Amino acid sequence: DAGVIQSPRHEVTEMGQEVTLRCKPISGHNSLFWYRQTMMRGLELLIYFNNNVPIDDSGMPEDRFSAKMPNASFSTLKIQPSEPRDSAVYFCASSFRTGRLAQYFGPGTRLTVL
Amino acid sequence: DQQVKQNSPSLSVQEGRISILNCDYTNSMFDYFLWYKKYPAEGPTFLISISSIKDKNEDGRFTVFLNKSAKHLSLHIVPSQPGDSAVYFCAATNNNDMRFGAGTRLTVKP
Repeated sequence: DAGVIQSPRHEVTEMGQEVTLRCKPISGHNSLFWYRQTMMRGLELLIYFNNNVPIDDSGMPEDRFSAKMPNASFSTLKIQPSEPRDSAVYFCASSFRTGRLAQYFGPGTRLTVL
Repeated sequence: DQQVKQNSPSLSVQEGRISILNCDYTNSMFDYFLWYKKYPAEGPTFLISISSIKDKNEDGRFTVFLNKSAKHLSLHIVPSQPGDSAVYFCAATNNNDMRFGAGTRLTVKP
């Protein structure tokens, strides 16, 4: 298995633009997580899905952030409009069961908003 | 609120010595704890875990200790190797979600 796949690996955009991050979880995993890593706050859980259904989005910073999981093999995290403070590394992770088993992380997307 | 805290942002040890990374949590509902290791430009990778019904779990050079009364866990690496240099994240879960600490950067000097 190729592991969790994220694209793009790097994204540089200007303030106000829409940004879409993509994730393909490991086949057979039914839970998917989006995290954001910053120097100040470390690794923060933004949202997680179980069987394609959003379970907890309390970590999403504000309405500019949205996430979807239209099927078991694909998820997106969208920021519209983007702001410089959104600059961070965004990780997607998947697991067979929510939380209980170790999550497998993708390589991350480094987002820079100018 | 930070339910999982790693109060040491960095740690430096000599090769061959023991590395001890600490983690504290506040939510008594957490019942499973994990350590992840992260190299630059890569996603975190699972290292070792422990259930709340245990107080110790060992895997090779890595041992995790859990003190439930103190809501504290630690990761011991012995002997430390230069390849262990990475950021280590502590995580806690109650089967509903997982919370991570901010990470501790370990540097093992040759």
